[in-house]
Amino acid sequence: QKEVEQDPGPLSVPEGAIVSLNCTYSNSAFQYFMWYRQYSRKGPELLMYTYSSGNKEDGRFTAQVDKSSKYISLFIRDSQPSDSATYLCAMSDYSSASKIIFGSGTRLSIRP
Amino acid sequence: EAQVTQNPRYLITVTGKKLTVTCSQNMNHEYMSWYRQDPGLGLRQIYYSMNVEVTDKGDVPEGYKVSRKEKRNFPLILESPSPNQTSLYFCASTGDSNQPQHFGDGTRLSIL
Repeated sequence: QKEVEQDPGPLSVPEGAIVSLNCTYSNSAFQYFMWYRQYSRKGPELLMYTYSSGNKEDGRFTAQVDKSSKYISLFIRDSQPSDSATYLCAMSDYSSASKIIFGSGTRLSIRP
Repeated sequence: EAQVTQNPRYLITVTGKKLTVTCSQNMNHEYMSWYRQDPGLGLRQIYYSMNVEVTDKGDVPEGYKVSRKEKRNFPLILESPSPNQTSLYFCASTGDSNQPQHFGDGTRLSIL
């Protein structure tokens, strides 16, 4: 079993829809949680970063962490075609600088 | 502009021919990492460095070497490349152990 599981998709939704992306994990020591967005032929860029449990909101993006269920989510409101990309969850147990475990990524497509 | 720069961006080579992928960051970051990205497997860490002359293995270090002689540079060395090292490689850096990493745009290696 992988330490981090992420549905690879692809996920296709119409413009304006609310998108929900999810990851589950098995290591209860994880306490740093990240979401990265990756466009084709580019490196991952950080979208959201949270420590421990709870919610964090940034514009149209909301990240949720439920450590009791070992489950994290990224919600995108009012989705735009420019949100079409691969979304990677990532997590670390003590430092985001060293050992980070990534999910395999979910490919998202927003239809105009 | 703050950035992580990788070279080359694309390389096709043959089995056994030593190659080096360079990585340079202009943000005076202490922490640097190398990842490989393969379909269905996500990003896997190869090596990381917490400072000059300090490096450690990630999840998939076999067949790779790194060095950190200067703070800004973290080259990845394949002494005797093999076809199973064909992949998309990313370098990343961060200046703070509690902050997420910034990624370069990737190097696509094909080993024939």
